[in-house]
Amino acid sequence: QKEVEQNSGPLSVPEGAIASLNCTYSDRGSQSFFWYRQYSGKSPELIMFIYSNGDKEDGRFTAQLNKASQYVSLLIRDSQPSDSATYLCAVSNTGNQFYFGTGTSLTVIP
Amino acid sequence: NAGVTQTPKFQVLKTGQSMTLQCAQDMNHNSMYWYRQDPGMGLRLIYYSASEGTTDKGEVPNGYNVSRLNKREFSLRLESAAPSQTSVYFCASSDVGGADQYFGPGTRLLVL
Repeated sequence: QKEVEQNSGPLSVPEGAIASLNCTYSDRGSQSFFWYRQYSGKSPELIMFIYSNGDKEDGRFTAQLNKASQYVSLLIRDSQPSDSATYLCAVSNTGNQFYFGTGTSLTVIP
Repeated sequence: NAGVTQTPKFQVLKTGQSMTLQCAQDMNHNSMYWYRQDPGMGLRLIYYSASEGTTDKGEVPNGYNVSRLNKREFSLRLESAAPSQTSVYFCASSDVGGADQYFGPGTRLLVL
């Protein structure tokens, strides 16, 4: 059983703050790691993917991967009310089978 | 360019009825996927198709069948619906490797 664990939240941060979202996974063979954003009643949309240990930055978003600790995180800088959504962590070891966490609900308070 | 489309958007079935969920993509992607999303369970892969003509089981395939009709279309069939199949179903597509999965709008299925 391949498990991806996320704190369900809700996580509340004030506008302009840094939001930190965390994810752990059980399969040491996992090779690819993804963060999706899902607004209520909508479909998931990809924010970032990361393959190598370390940090990957894209605008206000930074993904961090530590394979030794089986841990991946997403930092959102200068959080905006429009960032309020559920964030899904996903991992894959083959490129075709993806395992998703249950998601963390984020609320950015104006 | 519509991306990934799904029909129907919403469906109510009685236990034992059958139905097919349709999915189509216009991005020339090789891989297509069917997921279900349940509260507290996250997204779970039902079946996927790495390329036209191939299909493989995902994490929760029991009670479902799929058909990769051509490169564009990937359908999901429930032969005898059960209340446990009440869920939101998402279709997705991607290029080889699955880095950028694009999701359809979802089908909300209620089985009574």
